[in-house]
Amino acid sequence: DAGVIQSPRHEVTEMGQEVTLRCKPISGHNSLFWYRQTMMRGLELLIYFNNNVPIDDSGMPEDRFSAKMPNASFSTLKIQPSEPRDSAVYFCASSFQLSGSSYEQYFGPGTRLTVT
Amino acid sequence: GNSVTQMEGPVTLSEEAFLTINCTYTATGYPSLFWYVQYPGEGLQLLLKATKADDKGSNKGFEATYRKETTSFHLEKGSVQVSDSAVYFCALRELTGGGNKLTFGTGTQLKVEL
Repeated sequence: DAGVIQSPRHEVTEMGQEVTLRCKPISGHNSLFWYRQTMMRGLELLIYFNNNVPIDDSGMPEDRFSAKMPNASFSTLKIQPSEPRDSAVYFCASSFQLSGSSYEQYFGPGTRLTVT
Repeated sequence: GNSVTQMEGPVTLSEEAFLTINCTYTATGYPSLFWYVQYPGEGLQLLLKATKADDKGSNKGFEATYRKETTSFHLEKGSVQVSDSAVYFCALRELTGGGNKLTFGTGTQLKVEL
């Protein structure tokens, strides 16, 4: 199994540009999570999907952030326009949930975003 | 709401020393508890878990026991190695209608020296 795949691994962009981060969950998993990790704020859950439907987006910092999951094998996190304070490592994770019991979350390697 | 509190790091130990990383939690229900490990430049990996009171999770020489009376889930290892140097995260999961999410602690960095 390839695990959770994220791309790009590193992204450097200028303030004001649009940034799109991509995630391919583990095949068969039906829950997908986007996290942000910084030294100041630690690990924060931004949004998660269950069966491609957003369940909780209360962690999305502001309207500049948006996430989609058009099908079970692909999700994007978009920042438009980007700002220097968005610089962080963004992780995608997936898990399999069935009827109230859930399995562990598997994390991707992360995308390190630097906004200058 | 739910929260997880971990001891602050970094924790620096000599190889073969005994490790304890404290973790306490606050939750409204009966959460499952986890320890994740993050090696440099990588994502988080599940280290061990416990789903009910008095359960002991164990993996790779690490152990943690779910203590409901003290709301704790301390991580221990009898003899650490340099390869254990990483950041360790305590987390809880409480099922909420139709979905689930993890609440993480701030992480504790462990440095093991020869």
